[in-house]
Amino acid sequence: DIQMTQSPSSLSASVGDRVTITCRASQSITSYLNWYQQKPGKAPKLLIYFASSLQSGVPSRFSGSGSGTDFTLTISSLQPEDFATYYCQQSHSTPRTFGQGTKVEIK
Amino acid sequence: EVQLVQSGAEVKKPGEPLKISCKGSGYIFTTYWIGWVRQMPGKGLEWMGIFYPGDSETRYSPSFQGQVTMSADKSIRTAYLQWSSLKASDTAMYYCARQNYGDSKDAFDIWGQGTMVTVSS
Repeated sequence: DIQMTQSPSSLSASVGDRVTITCRASQSITSYLNWYQQKPGKAPKLLIYFASSLQSGVPSRFSGSGSGTDFTLTISSLQPEDFATYYCQQSHSTPRTFGQGTKVEIK
Repeated sequence: EVQLVQSGAEVKKPGEPLKISCKGSGYIFTTYWIGWVRQMPGKGLEWMGIFYPGDSETRYSPSFQGQVTMSADKSIRTAYLQWSSLKASDTAMYYCARQNYGDSKDAFDIWGQGTMVTVSS
């Protein structure tokens, strides 16, 4: 199985901050990397697919980059509704493993 | 509107069987894989496997192979996840999700609301 490791596990930030979350794969996954947002008590929501493609309806302050083994999710200006847990997921091979999650909290 | 609607919360005893459901609407049910994701209390997301209603092909994570069974009834656009004998460690929220392939997309783009399964004596 491909292992996905996110960092940090949690972070505190203020509204308006630029936030960066990283995800590392245990082997190359080319660009088959997705990002999801999950708010408490809710189902996850797809934000980014294929490393950098924005899912329809997702605000442009969210962006993704990377290829191979190292990837980044960036929120350019954190909004109140962005406080949530973010997960990366590789879709290169089965099982399509998730990272352990990064919780973004209010500072 | 494309949506997946899951069955309601379940409270079961260890050793009991269970089948939970996920009904799709707003899209051609037989042309998209349905995946299942487990989230234990306070924990992260775990990919359990995917099922293709068109031909019943199934791909399980090794961690869940033999522990659960995925299936579907095409006639009522419903996918299922079932256990033959529940354990306390099966207590979790279970999500179904539509796997969308195409234009380099290979991701769960539509999610059900989740089914909470509690197993306790």
